[in-house]
Amino acid sequence: DAEITQSPRHKITETGRQVTLACHQTWNHNNMFWYRQDLGHGLRLIHYSYGVQDTNKGEVSDGYSVSRSNTEDLPLTLESAASSQTSVYFCASSESAGGLETQYFGPGTRLLVL
Amino acid sequence: AQSVTQLDSHVSVSEGTPVLLRCNYSSSYSPSLFWYVQHPNKGLQLLLKYTSAATLVKGINGFEAEFKKSETSFHLTKPSAHMSDAAEYFCVVRSVYNAGGTSYGKLTFGQGTILTVHP
Repeated sequence: DAEITQSPRHKITETGRQVTLACHQTWNHNNMFWYRQDLGHGLRLIHYSYGVQDTNKGEVSDGYSVSRSNTEDLPLTLESAASSQTSVYFCASSESAGGLETQYFGPGTRLLVL
Repeated sequence: AQSVTQLDSHVSVSEGTPVLLRCNYSSSYSPSLFWYVQHPNKGLQLLLKYTSAATLVKGINGFEAEFKKSETSFHLTKPSAHMSDAAEYFCVVRSVYNAGGTSYGKLTFGQGTILTVHP
């Protein structure tokens, strides 16, 4: 079955280190998204991509970057991890359907920055 | 700009009693609205969605929601709670914008409502 996976599921790192979170989907969806989930804030959009070589900033993009070299993957990189980036990160994907598509979410990555 | 407000951060019910999770939205045009559920340590699962068809939307696991434009509300209900319904629920509004002749959608999440079900 098609799915969306994230790795690692849990990660502990130190401030200042570079961290990359992987997201892989097998639906052949053009659209992919990264969110962070924090208590009291719901999910907030970090970055998104509408196709290969396309990337866009969301509402909380500072300190994060993404690249889209193929349809299946959208890795999220924390250039220099900060304690404020301790969070649960969710990747999502959707088809291109004139903006009417439903987003499907991965299981999440729990990141702790010490 | 789109926004969504979930009026209760926590709701507690007894098993077998009705569930009501409240959501109000703000939108400059007819929105698309969703409810997602997140069980502990799990990802988000789509419960139901409203996309300008019938105003009463039925979802999975016996949940339904009614879109009321006059009240800008999209409350989630279930007639009889089950222990397995204990989870966090998110109301979500989708904005659609056009760029370069193509339409795109972006989601805005509410803060979430934690549902507790007592035996």
